[in-house]
Amino acid sequence: DAKTTQPPSMDCAEGRAANLPCNHSTISGNEYVYWYRQIHSQGPQYIIHGLKNNETNEMASLIITEDRKSSTLILPHATLRDTAVYYCIVRGSNTGNQFYFGTGTSLTVIP
Amino acid sequence: NAGVMQNPRHLVRRRGQEARLRCSPMKGHSHVYWYRQLPEEGLKFMVYLQKENIIDESGMPKERFSAEFPKEGPSILRIQQVVRGDSAAYFCASSRSGQGSTGELFFGEGSRLTVL
Repeated sequence: DAKTTQPPSMDCAEGRAANLPCNHSTISGNEYVYWYRQIHSQGPQYIIHGLKNNETNEMASLIITEDRKSSTLILPHATLRDTAVYYCIVRGSNTGNQFYFGTGTSLTVIP
Repeated sequence: NAGVMQNPRHLVRRRGQEARLRCSPMKGHSHVYWYRQLPEEGLKFMVYLQKENIIDESGMPKERFSAEFPKEGPSILRIQQVVRGDSAAYFCASSRSGQGSTGELFFGEGSRLTVL
């Protein structure tokens, strides 16, 4: 079962930063935080993941709090094509620890 | 470098028929996962397979559903005697490795099953 809590929906103005929060208060020491998104019923797309340090790639930045109980995905300059459902997932690195998707946050980028 | 390939993309079956969905993982990936997404809902984990082995089928319905990932060829998700409630999008994902890995999943575009 999903171990994360996300707001069901958010809006963001085009060109502004989109900050998507995620609570994972029961995360354990070997569990990573992953973010995926699903654009209009397409296959989910990997965005970024991290353990405890902040991470950045060409798509987004991931900020993880020091106690690791929450994180924020940042899309620095949201575009209309970023409108999607964003899923925050915690998963251990051992075999058998599957990716369990919750209900995610439906982000709408507004022109 | 082809991604995860699923076929058919769309499948229509009548109640009681069988549905077979195929998934070819990315090159070099030996781990396959199947998920189901009902209309207006999130993705639900069904089964995790490695070549010739089912690792975790905790999300599979107890009856009518089966999955395999043979040594050669694609992974197959088989639904026997389909009912209307099986209508959904079925997504396959693959990863390079399992134990000790933090590797991400790569998803296909899904197979959409409609049961009449």
